[in-house]
Amino acid sequence: DAGVTQSPTHLIKTRGQQVTLRCSPKSGHDTVSWYQQALGQGPQFIFQYYEEEERQRGNFPDRFSGHQFPNYSSELNVNALLLGDSALYLCASSDRHTGYSGNTIYFGEGSWLTVV
Amino acid sequence: KQEVTQIPAALSVPEGENLVLNCSFTDSAIYNLQWFRQDPGKGLTSLLLIQSSQREQTSGRLNASLDKSSGRSTLYIAASQPGDSATYLCAVRLNFGNEKLTFGTGTRLTIIP
Repeated sequence: DAGVTQSPTHLIKTRGQQVTLRCSPKSGHDTVSWYQQALGQGPQFIFQYYEEEERQRGNFPDRFSGHQFPNYSSELNVNALLLGDSALYLCASSDRHTGYSGNTIYFGEGSWLTVV
Repeated sequence: KQEVTQIPAALSVPEGENLVLNCSFTDSAIYNLQWFRQDPGKGLTSLLLIQSSQREQTSGRLNASLDKSSGRSTLYIAASQPGDSATYLCAVRLNFGNEKLTFGTGTRLTIIP
């Protein structure tokens, strides 16, 4: 059973460019959340998708957008990249309908984005 | 606004010692608390999940406790090994159906052989 998979693992972009990161949730999971983790910090919640809609959003500008596909996979798009967007971007998946005892959230290995 | 704090930020202990990592949160109305491990440059691995009605959870040499009323959780690691060296993060979740996690900044643990 594959866990949460993310691609690409590393990428370098120039300021002002746009980037798309991809995530496939763990089998059986229907909810995907994205987090940004700067060096030495804890992950910060960007947004969450289920049923192909953005359901909740953290304190991130509109330059950060996303999408969820019918197979529950998801994309994170960041436009007009800034140096400060350099971070590890983590995808997390869960099953919203899992009962009380089993509702663990699983994370992928992340995508390292460097903006130069 | 929920805030999660982890102290200390870094900890070094000799191999074989038992140790405790601390996590505190400001809003006690949580659904559950999860402890994660993160190796350098890697993603997060879930270690233990404690529901709000539970007091503790155990997995092997790890034991996590939760005192919701005081806004505190501890992760106890018994008989530490060099392979335990990593950053340990705690995260709280507000309610069922809300998948957002609020994380602390982590404790970087080094086990000295």
